[in-house]
Amino acid sequence: NAGVTQTPKFRILKIGQSMTLQCTQDMNHNYMYWYRQDPGMGLKLIYYSVGAGITDKGEVPNGYNVSRSTTEDFPLRLELAAPSQTSVYFCASRPSGGNEQFFGPGTRLTVL
Amino acid sequence: AQSVTQLDSQVPVFEEAPVELRCNYSSSVSVYLFWYVQYPNQGLQLLLKYLSGSTLVKGINGFEAEFNKSQTSFHLRKPSVHISDTAEYFCAVSWDQGAQKLVFGQGTRLTINP
Repeated sequence: NAGVTQTPKFRILKIGQSMTLQCTQDMNHNYMYWYRQDPGMGLKLIYYSVGAGITDKGEVPNGYNVSRSTTEDFPLRLELAAPSQTSVYFCASRPSGGNEQFFGPGTRLTVL
Repeated sequence: AQSVTQLDSQVPVFEEAPVELRCNYSSSVSVYLFWYVQYPNQGLQLLLKYLSGSTLVKGINGFEAEFNKSQTSFHLRKPSVHISDTAEYFCAVSWDQGAQKLVFGQGTRLTINP
């Protein structure tokens, strides 16, 4: 199993541009999560999903959108990039009945 | 609001010395507790977790943690550290046993000196 994969690894955006961060897991996990990690800070939850077709907001959802059309994929969309969205973004997944979240390697995003 | 506090942002220790990384959280009502480790330029990896039962939990790489309900703490310990333990350590708490959304502490950077 590849586990949780994220693409791209790095990206630089200009203010106002849009992009989609991809997240895929091959473990058939129902639960998926998006977090952002700012320098010197812990991770903060952006959005999460309890299964295909179901998503909900986390602590810091403003400026982001998500969709979950399949069990495997959970893309995160930035519509109008702002410097405040410069961060490292982590995707995670968890099986139903389990407690451990499995994290991807992260996407480092810079907005200039 | 629920919160998690890691009291030390950086902890330098010498190799083979013991270490304790501290974690406190805001409420003890039905919590799940976790410690994750992040090695440079990598994602997070679970070290250990407390869900219920014995308050002393053992994890990977010789780490252990103790759940203290009265002090709302979950401190991480290792009796003898190695250079390879150099990493960032995050305490995380879930108050939601359904979706299990995690609230993370700010992280503690553990630096091991030879």
